[in-house]
Formats: sequence, C-alpha cells, structure tokens
Amino acid sequence: GEDVEQSLFLSVREGDSSVINCTYTDSSSTYLYWYKQEPGAGLQLLTYIFSNMDMKQDQRLTVLLNKKDKHLSLRIADTQTGDSAIYFCAETPSGGSYIPTFGRGTSLIVHP
Amino acid sequence: NAGVTQTPKFRILKIGQSMTLQCTQDMNHNYMYWYRQDPGMGLKLIYYSVGAGITDKGEVPNGYNVSRSTTEDFPLRLELAAPSQTSVYFCASSLDSPYLSEQYFGPGTRLTVT
Repeated sequence: GEDVEQSLFLSVREGDSSVINCTYTDSSSTYLYWYKQEPGAGLQLLTYIFSNMDMKQDQRLTVLLNKKDKHLSLRIADTQTGDSAIYFCAETPSGGSYIPTFGRGTSLIVHP
Repeated sequence: NAGVTQTPKFRILKIGQSMTLQCTQDMNHNYMYWYRQDPGMGLKLIYYSVGAGITDKGEVPNGYNVSRSTTEDFPLRLELAAPSQTSVYFCASSLDSPYLSEQYFGPGTRLTVT
C-alpha cells in the first residue's frame, strides 16, 4: 500500500515556530491533511491542502506542499503549550474508496 | 449535536471472549469508519460503510465484523479476542466520501486483551 512517513517527535520552546514534516509515496494524491490528536481524544482535522496548491495559510498555520518531492510540512507560528499534541499527516488517493492513509503521527512537545 | 460517540471508553477482555464496540453519530452522515491505532503507529482502517446496509473491508479486517442497519449506528464486533487486537479503536463519520467531506472522529475505545 501507499506510505506516509513522519518523524516521531519534535520538541520546541514556547513562542518559537514548529515545523512538522511528512513524506508520502502516492503521486496521485489529491488532498493532503493535517490532523491534531490531543491526549485521550480522537483526531480533529486541523487543515488540508489540495494537490494543485503549494501553500495554504490559516492564522498561525502554514502548510507547504512540494509535489515533486512528495513532501508536506506544517508550520505553527508562535507555538503555545496548548499546541502540544500528536499531529498526523494523511493523504487521499485519486481513486478507489478515497479513504485517507495516515502517517504514524509526530508528538509535538512545547516547553516553557 | 453530540457528534460521534463511542462506548465503552475502556475494556479489558480475556483471550477468546467476544464484545461489541458501539459507535453512534447524530449528524446524519452517510459514511462511517472503524480504525485501530496501535502505539506509535498511524490509523489502520478496519471496515467502512457508505450507507445503511452497505459495508466493506478496509486494510485490516481479519478478526472483526460490522453491520450498518441504521444511518446512525455502526457497531464493531470482535468474536474471539486475541492479544493482537489490543489497541485503541476509533470510529469516524463523514457526510459523504472523504474526498469531498471532513471526517469526524469519536474519542476512542481503549481495548486490552490478556
């Protein structure tokens, strides 16, 4: 099956920017997503980008997509302790059931 | 709206026992999904449903069964629990195909099989 890869951990200081990276293998991916999972809770959609875009900004969040390198990143500006969570990258194929494939998640730890 | 609700929150099963994980959504969504999340891993799709009466296998369906008799409910059945089924189970729903609409997740059921 198609793969979505992420690093497992990221530690940043409060107020700094965080950059979480993701690579995927499916060249036919249409939508790419970032989900946030807080402790003890389900996943919540944070933002998404369509494959014909290379950047999307939403308040403190910036998503960058390099389709040639199949690389997706999520930048969180002015990271706060409330941003501590697991962030999952996911991609939707262009055919079949369209059900997303998820990465293993990156644990973001924000310390004062 | 309560969104997607799951019961129970936690459960410990002995090997060979059976149980049903309940999932209900009150958003009138057509699509529903069951995922499992193993430690340090991403979500793996077990089964999904595109509407009442229609279900299909995902990536890891062995050892599980589902039914979808109503739009609201999508229970997941484990017939003969095995230690390999120790995981956190998430139910999700979407109004339409995930290509077109956001998936909403329940809070999860943490299952331990010993």
